[in-house]
Amino acid sequence: EAGVTQSPTHLIKTRGQQATLRCSPISGHTSVYWYQQALGLGLQFLLWYDEGEERNRGNFPPRFSGRQFPNYSSELNVNALELEDSALYLCASSSRLGYEQFFGPGTRLTVL
Amino acid sequence: QQQVKQSPQSLIVQKGGISIINCAYENTAFDYFPWYQQFPGKGPALLIAIRPDVSEKKEGRFTISFNKSAKQFSLHIMDSQPGDSATYFCAARWGGTSYGKLTFGQGTILTVHP
Repeated sequence: EAGVTQSPTHLIKTRGQQATLRCSPISGHTSVYWYQQALGLGLQFLLWYDEGEERNRGNFPPRFSGRQFPNYSSELNVNALELEDSALYLCASSSRLGYEQFFGPGTRLTVL
Repeated sequence: QQQVKQSPQSLIVQKGGISIINCAYENTAFDYFPWYQQFPGKGPALLIAIRPDVSEKKEGRFTISFNKSAKQFSLHIMDSQPGDSATYFCAARWGGTSYGKLTFGQGTILTVHP
């Protein structure tokens, strides 16, 4: 069974640009979660999508947004990039109402 | 405000020893407590998890002990091996209106010496 996949592996942007990160959940999973893992800050919850709807968001500004497609894959968009947005962005998936969240390998975003 | 506090930050254990990592939480809205293992350059991997109506869960060399009244839970790794060297995160899942999201501890870097 294929796990959660994320693309790209690495992304380098300059301040002020926009970044788009992609995630494909485990087959059969309908929920997708996004987390930010920044150095020294641990793992922080960003967004949760289920059945195409945003269900919950963490304490992040509105320039962090995303969506979930009909095939349950998801996209995270970060607008007006700032240096402190440099981090590993992790996507996780679970079955609907499932407790277990399984993570992908992450996308390393570097903002110069 | 840190909702889940994890200790120690780092831990060095000899091969064959027991590794113990502790976590404490404040919020009684948490309804599920997983542990994740993360190797450098990889995403966190779900190791073992427990619900608050259970006091202990064992899977192979890994055991979670859960104390609901003290709001504490811990991970015990028996017979620790060099391959267990990784960063370990405890987490707590929100129920209620914040349902679904995980709040993580700050992580423990475990080094197992051969």
